[in-house]
Amino acid sequence: SQELEQSPQSLIVQEGKNLTINCTSSKTLYGLYWYKQKYGEGLIFLMMLQKGGEEKSHEKITAKLDEKKQQSSLHITASQPSHAGIYLCGAVRPAGGSNYKLTFGKGTLLTVNP
Amino acid sequence: NAGVTQTPKFQVLKTGQSMTLQCAQDMNHNSMYWYRQDPGMGLRLIYYSASEGTTDKGEVPNGYNVSRLNKREFSLRLESAAPSQTSVYFCASSAQRGDTQYFGPGTRLTVL
Repeated sequence: SQELEQSPQSLIVQEGKNLTINCTSSKTLYGLYWYKQKYGEGLIFLMMLQKGGEEKSHEKITAKLDEKKQQSSLHITASQPSHAGIYLCGAVRPAGGSNYKLTFGKGTLLTVNP
Repeated sequence: NAGVTQTPKFQVLKTGQSMTLQCAQDMNHNSMYWYRQDPGMGLRLIYYSASEGTTDKGEVPNGYNVSRLNKREFSLRLESAAPSQTSVYFCASSAQRGDTQYFGPGTRLTVL
């Protein structure tokens, strides 16, 4: 079963509108990453959240991690065409001993129409 | 700083051919990773190298081998390519295992 669920799978918004992407884990998260990917390119690191209730912002993008550390949301205010792309969340989980692994959700495809 | 670089960007192989995907990072990171990205499957870890001189299997290692040539370089080899290995391959690196990973631009591989 998929341990990390992203919703929605795809999203089309009009420029200037706000939007939210969600990432839900079936297990407690040790950390949660948000990346953005443009078609044909690599992943660009956006933000990393570790503490329950933590919130971080960068320009018009805000990411939050809930108190139980099982759900994160990514909110974009006043979207622009430059925000278009695939947004992926990545969960940090223990991998035995002192090791950790990063497991990704399937991504949310965002289209912003001018 | 170039960050993480990958070569080639595109490759087409015939079934049974072999090839090596190259990855290099200039951030003095200890850990490096190889992922594949497939539609509907997301990113899956193939192999990783926690530090120079060590490599370990990830989620989908079958059909692949890796070499951590030095601290900068981590290569992925397909000995006998299969159509199921058609995918986009990403290399990433992090300061230490568990730290933020920085990704290369990817290699788009098609196996006919």
